[in-house]
Amino acid sequence: GAGVSQSPSNKVTEKGKDVELRCDPISGHTALYWYRQRLGQGLEFLIYFQGNSAPDKSGLPSDRFSAERTGESVSTLTIQRTQQEDSAVYLCASSLLGQNNSPLHFGNGTRLTVT
Amino acid sequence: KNEVEQSPQNLTAQEGEFITINCSYSVGISALHWLQQHPGGGIVSLFMLSSGKKKHGRLIATINIQEKHSSLHITASHPRDSAVYICAVSALYSGGGADGLTFGKGTHLIIQP
Repeated sequence: GAGVSQSPSNKVTEKGKDVELRCDPISGHTALYWYRQRLGQGLEFLIYFQGNSAPDKSGLPSDRFSAERTGESVSTLTIQRTQQEDSAVYLCASSLLGQNNSPLHFGNGTRLTVT
Repeated sequence: KNEVEQSPQNLTAQEGEFITINCSYSVGISALHWLQQHPGGGIVSLFMLSSGKKKHGRLIATINIQEKHSSLHITASHPRDSAVYICAVSALYSGGGADGLTFGKGTHLIIQP
């Protein structure tokens, strides 16, 4: 079956521009996560959506970052006024239930380059 | 916030060797995940466990809740096992919202033929 789909796979943008990244989770998965991985670094948690609960936004690095999720489907991560330090691979994952109950399924990521 | 420590950071071994990667965390958790990140960047979930031991093929994961420690073992290692292995933990559910995962920095494993 279809896995987690992310688009675009690559995005190059100029400093100061806004970007929107999209994640289509596996159908029926209630939980959705966004992570960031800078070059040579580990995974960094950004935001977590679980069903109808308030999302955990504790990982968002600044108010330039925001994310939305429509019900239990697609999510978009928006970065406003991009900076060079935003360059990274942005990974989305979903799981059937919460992270305490079911394994994670990762997308292939969006590689963002801010010039 | 939970602190997740993995060891070793880097490991190079010969094909066929038994591999152990360790993960320690600082506060109580409800689940621990082992992930594998291939050189191309794709991430695959290997195990999710909250107690005891799980086995899948040549991979074995164990967790000791009292000691706040987990290990990932690879038996009869093969060059295709070369990857970054990542430990991630989820905090005990607080009831007011969901906590995100906390990740270790990963163990870079190279299996030489």
